[in-house]
Amino acid sequence: GENVEQHPSTLSVQEGDSAVIKCTYSDSASNYFPWYKQELGKGPQLIIDIRSNVGEKKDQRIAVTLNKTAKHFSLHITETQPEDSAVYFCAASTGYALNFGKGTSLLVTP
Amino acid sequence: NAGVTQTPKFQVLKTGQSMTLQCAQDMNHNSMYWYRQDPGMGLRLIYYSASEGTTDKGEVPNGYNVSRLNKREFSLRLESAAPSQTSVYFCASSRDNENQPQHFGDGTRLSIL
Repeated sequence: GENVEQHPSTLSVQEGDSAVIKCTYSDSASNYFPWYKQELGKGPQLIIDIRSNVGEKKDQRIAVTLNKTAKHFSLHITETQPEDSAVYFCAASTGYALNFGKGTSLLVTP
Repeated sequence: NAGVTQTPKFQVLKTGQSMTLQCAQDMNHNSMYWYRQDPGMGLRLIYYSASEGTTDKGEVPNGYNVSRLNKREFSLRLESAAPSQTSVYFCASSRDNENQPQHFGDGTRLSIL
């Protein structure tokens, strides 16, 4: 089955800096890659997603890049703010199932 | 618009007791899912329902059963709870089951003593 590795497990940045979270996947048939943000006591919330026919997607301060050849994808958050502090999960899908990474706990300090 | 609603939010059970977790969505989605989230393990798929009337096993189905009651509701049942089933359970839904965004509820925190 699909195996998704996510790094780093924790990340601390200063407000205004950029944050980058990286994921790799094993199944070359995976073709959908969402990113979720989870705040304490809440369910995961979709923040951005990318499909295998696209190399990069941007939404305001958030961008995702995909390298199908290397089987890795990354989340980039620019101009970080304290409210960006949360756990972020990447996932990869070949159809019905989302296979999640183990999460990155992001702390943005003022 | 409530999205995905899960009940209850918290529950404590004794080993061997049974329990049904409820999930309902108001987005007219065809597909629904149950995940469990454990520390350091991410989210793992228990069961899913691609459409009303169908259910399939996910990565960790042992010890669970599901029912797709209608298009809106998808329940998860623990017949004989075990301490290893202590977890946070999330329900999700998507428009259909082919690479569509999944929308999650806020979870049920279940402790089994």
